[in-house]
Amino acid sequence: EAAVTQSPRNKVTVTGGNVTLSCRQTNSHNYMYWYRQDTGHGLRLIHYSYGAGNLQIGDVPDGYKATRTTQEDFFLLLELASPSQTSLYFCASSDGAGSAETLYFGSGTRLTVL
Amino acid sequence: QQKVQQSPESLIVPEGGMASLNCTSSDRNVDYFWWYRQHSGKSPKMLMSIFSNGEKEEGRFTVHLNKASLHTSLHIRDSQPSDSALYLCAASNTGYQNFYFGKGTSLTVIP
Repeated sequence: EAAVTQSPRNKVTVTGGNVTLSCRQTNSHNYMYWYRQDTGHGLRLIHYSYGAGNLQIGDVPDGYKATRTTQEDFFLLLELASPSQTSLYFCASSDGAGSAETLYFGSGTRLTVL
Repeated sequence: QQKVQQSPESLIVPEGGMASLNCTSSDRNVDYFWWYRQHSGKSPKMLMSIFSNGEKEEGRFTVHLNKASLHTSLHIRDSQPSDSALYLCAASNTGYQNFYFGKGTSLTVIP
């Protein structure tokens, strides 16, 4: 099964703080995604990428930057964190060989912005 | 606007009973549907996928798809307490590598 590793598992920061969430996949998948999960909203796509150096904007990108440095590594950056960004963040990957692809999720990062 | 709507929001069934979950897309361009299961405190994992009209069965799980109405349903027979989880429906468009998720149905199976 595809392996997607996120770090850290938990993070607490203050309003205005700078946070980087990391994701690594070891299955040579082309596509990587960042989602946030909130009660009442389900999973919402923040950013995604189809290869190193590529970045696509998702549905809720405001306040987030992302960078895909290698095929394996995808980072989510919150440069001025706000309490509204308190959430459970999931990274996912897929092979992307056509649209009929399964998403493989990491274990999640729970972020609290005080 | 939510492109994928799921119902009901929550569902309680007795052990051994049948659970039926629904999902509809409002995007006419959607072609593919998935069902993901997320146990409490865990990450979502793909349960079943369906891309063609009709029915697909895997063990106790059956999924239906009607492409004309963009409606899919998941049926779990002989429900077990271990089936208690959040069930997420996802959809995507041909050639477009974005997945739209519904808000999920929280299923509780009572022993």
